[in-house]
Amino acid sequence: KAGVTQTPRYLIKTRGQQVTLSCSPISGHRSVSWYQQTPGQGLQFLFEYFSETQRNKGNFPGRFSGRQFSNSRSEMNVSTLELGDSALYLCASSYLGQRGETQYFGPGTRLLVL
Amino acid sequence: AQSVAQPEDQVNVAEGNPLTVKCTYSVSGNPYLFWYVQYPNRGLQFLLKYITGDNLVKGSYGFEAEFNKSQTSFHLKKPSALVSDSALYFCAVRDRGNAGNMLTFGGGTRLMVKP
Repeated sequence: KAGVTQTPRYLIKTRGQQVTLSCSPISGHRSVSWYQQTPGQGLQFLFEYFSETQRNKGNFPGRFSGRQFSNSRSEMNVSTLELGDSALYLCASSYLGQRGETQYFGPGTRLLVL
Repeated sequence: AQSVAQPEDQVNVAEGNPLTVKCTYSVSGNPYLFWYVQYPNRGLQFLLKYITGDNLVKGSYGFEAEFNKSQTSFHLKKPSALVSDSALYFCAVRDRGNAGNMLTFGGGTRLMVKP
């Protein structure tokens, strides 16, 4: 099976702009989670989607949003970008997001905000 | 709330020697525990997990980890390190009692294996 894919891999934006990142989960996986990785804060959970519904949300401002489509593909959007939003954004998928299922991560999208 | 601590920012080991990367956790209930590895400019690769049962878990690339409930630890080990094991290692926990699929990660430990 193909792994989790994320597009684009690299992105440069300026403050105040918005950005949309895309994630395609492993075929058959219905749970998609997003994480932000920065040198200062480490890996932090953003949100999880299952069957087009947000099931969990981390402690991020409302500028961070996401959605999931009927084919389980997911997008996350960051509006009014700030310099501190520069990070590696990782998407992970699992079958149902239940019990001890393993989450499989994509290669990430590296966002640089200037 | 759940949390994970990786007390060492970096671990240095000579090739061929055993390695240990430490992880302690805190959850309100019983945990699911995971180890991931990250190579430069890559995402996280799954190594192994503890769900239930045997406290010694074997994973990919010769890695193993031991779940110790009394010490709330889940240390990653390998009997003989390779230079190619040099990478960033993350321990993660999920509380069984929580709905959804949120993982809480430790800060990461950089493993340097020298020839």
